Formats: sequence, structure tokens, C-alpha cells
Amino acid sequence: DVKVTQSSRYLVKRTGEKVFLECVQDMDHENMFWYRQDPGLGLRLIYFSYDVKMKEKGDIPEGYSVSREKKERFSLILESASTNQTSMYLCASSLMGDGNQPQHFGDGTRLSIL
Amino acid sequence: KNQVEQSPQSLIILEGKNCTLQCNYTVSPFSNLRWYKQDTGRGPVSLTIMTFSENTKSNGRYTATLDADTKQSSLHITASQLSDSASYICVVSAEPGGGADGLTFGKGTHLIIQP
Repeated sequence: DVKVTQSSRYLVKRTGEKVFLECVQDMDHENMFWYRQDPGLGLRLIYFSYDVKMKEKGDIPEGYSVSREKKERFSLILESASTNQTSMYLCASSLMGDGNQPQHFGDGTRLSIL
Repeated sequence: KNQVEQSPQSLIILEGKNCTLQCNYTVSPFSNLRWYKQDTGRGPVSLTIMTFSENTKSNGRYTATLDADTKQSSLHITASQLSDSASYICVVSAEPGGGADGLTFGKGTHLIIQP
């Protein structure tokens, strides 16, 4: 079974802090994604990556950056946390292929910015 | 603008009953349609993926249908169980890019199964 592991289930940080969310997958997937999920808005794509050291902006990249130094690890960075970044953050991975590959999600990090 | 609309927003049914969740989309061009189940406090888990040429696909008690002409999909749950209580998310993939970044997510249907 594919396992996508997010480093923290719950995280509380203060406004202005630099925040790191870590995600590791164990199935050698090429694609990795970061989403945030908010009530009434569904999942929104922040950043994704097709390969090591590659990154692409999603729909809402402002205030975030990412790092992919190794194939199995994709980090999301909040450069200067703000209260409107309080949310559930979900990491996902998938195989590169014909586009019909399912995404495998981690269990999320519930981040609160005070 | 690509959109995925799901209905109803929430649904409560008794254990053992059947139910059907709806998904309408305006995504174009179309690559595939996915249904995910998300338990409370967990990440979404894939139930089915259907391409243009598939009009029905089953995964245990879950059966998804796709009408690419009317751009509608449904997820039918048979003989519901308490463990079916979850949010069900419809996701449509657009070409080019296939499944990597061309995904449009619905807001989900929150299903509650009562004993």
C-alpha cells in the first residue's frame, strides 16, 4: 500500500513565524502535491512537483513556497505565517503516467496560526 | 471556467438503505472523473476513476456512473453501513496534463449514516 506521511497532525504557530510542513511518500511517485482544505471551499492546489527540484504553482501559491530536494519528500513552507493560512493542509502523490493515476493523500496537518 | 458541482451538500440516511450522490461538471476537455471518500480527520481515498469510454465502475458496494454527453456522474452506495459516513468528493481531470495538475475538485457531499 502507498503511504503518504505528513510530519504533524496538528500544529499551532504564531503570526509571522516561518512554518515548515513535511510530506514523505514511500512508493517512488514522481508527482507530489500540496493542497489546503477549507470548509465550503473544497481542496485547492497550492503547489505541485513533477520531479526532484521541479515545482509548479497551483491555484493559490501566494504566501507559500515548496522544496523538493529528494524524490520522496515534498515540503511546504509558509514564509511568514498569517491567520488566513489557518487551514487543513493535505499532501498527495501520484505516478506519472497516462493521467489516469489516482492521487494518494496523507492524513493532513491541521495548522492554526494565532 | 471549469467547475464541478455536487449535490446534495449533505445527506442523512438510515443504515442499510441505498443512496445516490450526484456530480455535474463543466470541465473541458475531459480526461477522467474520480470519486474519493474522506473520513473525518483523514485524507481522501480513491474509490473509482472513470475515463471517457467507461460509463460504470464498481468498488464493492460503491458504483459510479458517468454520462459524458450530459457531463454528469453519480455514486451509488448499496446497503449503507455506519462506516460509509464520510465526505464524498468528485474530481474531474482535464487534458492536457491529465491527472497531474488539471484537476477540478467538487466541494463534496457529507453523508451521515444513522443506526
